[in-house]
Amino acid sequence: EAQVTQNPRYLITVTGKKLTVTCSQNMNHEYMSWYRQDPGLGLRQIYYSMNVEVTDKGDVPEGYKVSRKEKRNFPLILESPSPNQTSLYFCASSLTGGNTIYFGEGSWLTVV
Amino acid sequence: AQSVTQPDIHITVSEGASLELRCNYSYGATPYLFWYVQSPGQGLQLLLKYFSGDTLVQGIKGFEAEFKRSQSSFNLRKPSVHWSDAAEYFCAVGDAGNNRKLIWGLGTSLAVNP
Repeated sequence: EAQVTQNPRYLITVTGKKLTVTCSQNMNHEYMSWYRQDPGLGLRQIYYSMNVEVTDKGDVPEGYKVSRKEKRNFPLILESPSPNQTSLYFCASSLTGGNTIYFGEGSWLTVV
Repeated sequence: AQSVTQPDIHITVSEGASLELRCNYSYGATPYLFWYVQSPGQGLQLLLKYFSGDTLVQGIKGFEAEFKRSQSSFNLRKPSVHWSDAAEYFCAVGDAGNNRKLIWGLGTSLAVNP
């Protein structure tokens, strides 16, 4: 079954404590991305990757890092989380950036 | 600049009534068009998409959408809404030649009265 899997699904953490949200896809997609969803702001892209070792900033990259060492994995790293990063995060993959996107189920992150 | 507008932030309909959710876009190239649905607490699921060909496209769950190039619109319709259709609906625009990303609308929240 085609899937985008992200973990953890739910996390409460404290300000400044580094965390990583993992993402894996089994569709051999080249394009992967991270979004955050906040009330009234819709989906905003954080980072994207067009292929292995190729990443670029999206619309709201501040405070986040990503890496793409393997085609299937695209982890999101919060080096020093702050309360304004409390949000619902989605990992997504697609054949190309402008094509059909497949989403993970989301990760609820709370930073206190 | 490229943009997607969903004019209705929130819509309430009665169960069994027809539904139309509006989506307008501004895009220089021939667009790929998408509608996604997000049920409460869930991820986003593709409802339907338009790439080319017949401008009336059928999707899952009984939804359809019509691409009108002259109006730069891609409105989503359903003839009879079910209570389970209550969700957030997102319109998005893309381009197969643009590897960067889709452009997203802010979403329309649909409530269904029994």
